[in-house]
Amino acid sequence: NAGVTQTPKFQVLKTGQSMTLQCAQDMNHEYMSWYRQDPGMGLRLIHYSVGAGITDQGEVPNGYNVSRSTTEDFPLRLLSAAPSQTSVYFCASSLGSLSGGYTFGSGTRLTVV
Amino acid sequence: EDQVTQSPEALRLQEGESSSLNCSYTVSGLRGLFWYRQDPGKGPEFLFTLYSAGEEKEKERLKATLTKKESFLHITAPKPEDSATYLCAVQPNSNSGYALNFGKGTSLLVTP
Repeated sequence: NAGVTQTPKFQVLKTGQSMTLQCAQDMNHEYMSWYRQDPGMGLRLIHYSVGAGITDQGEVPNGYNVSRSTTEDFPLRLLSAAPSQTSVYFCASSLGSLSGGYTFGSGTRLTVV
Repeated sequence: EDQVTQSPEALRLQEGESSSLNCSYTVSGLRGLFWYRQDPGKGPEFLFTLYSAGEEKEKERLKATLTKKESFLHITAPKPEDSATYLCAVQPNSNSGYALNFGKGTSLLVTP
């Protein structure tokens, strides 16, 4: 039981490049979400999904796309990277029950130069 | 607008010196309040969920309490391994996606 797996762990991009951050969970969780964490800002929600085929925007969605074709996977795509997207990105999943909260991945540290 | 404010931003304790972390919140109906622990370079780790005022949860040296406006994370006789950043988050009733609104965290350092 791996929990929530994020790849890659580290990435450096040039401005304007695109890439996909991968997130996979093996707990059969319906709810998945992407957060970014910046110094002094706390965790902010980018996009979330309540099940396969259903996604919605969070607090800071601009510049990011998501899709949810399976229950297990929830990739985050950066369309044209900007230095403002330098951050640590966390994927999280939940059964939808409050008692267990969200399970977070170990994060992807992205630097855009 | 939903808000979560944690204080203090940083706290340094000696081993065995008990203290409390505060999380004050304003939300249009609370579905749940969460506490997480985050170690450097890692993702947040779930600690507790609290649902209603008066509720308390305990785990080892940690106890979380909830009122209508704030939550406290009490740390009794802390050890150096309790050093971490503690995050508070709320889930409003209006939120259909079970998304969490996080505070900025309290960085706790426990020295031997």
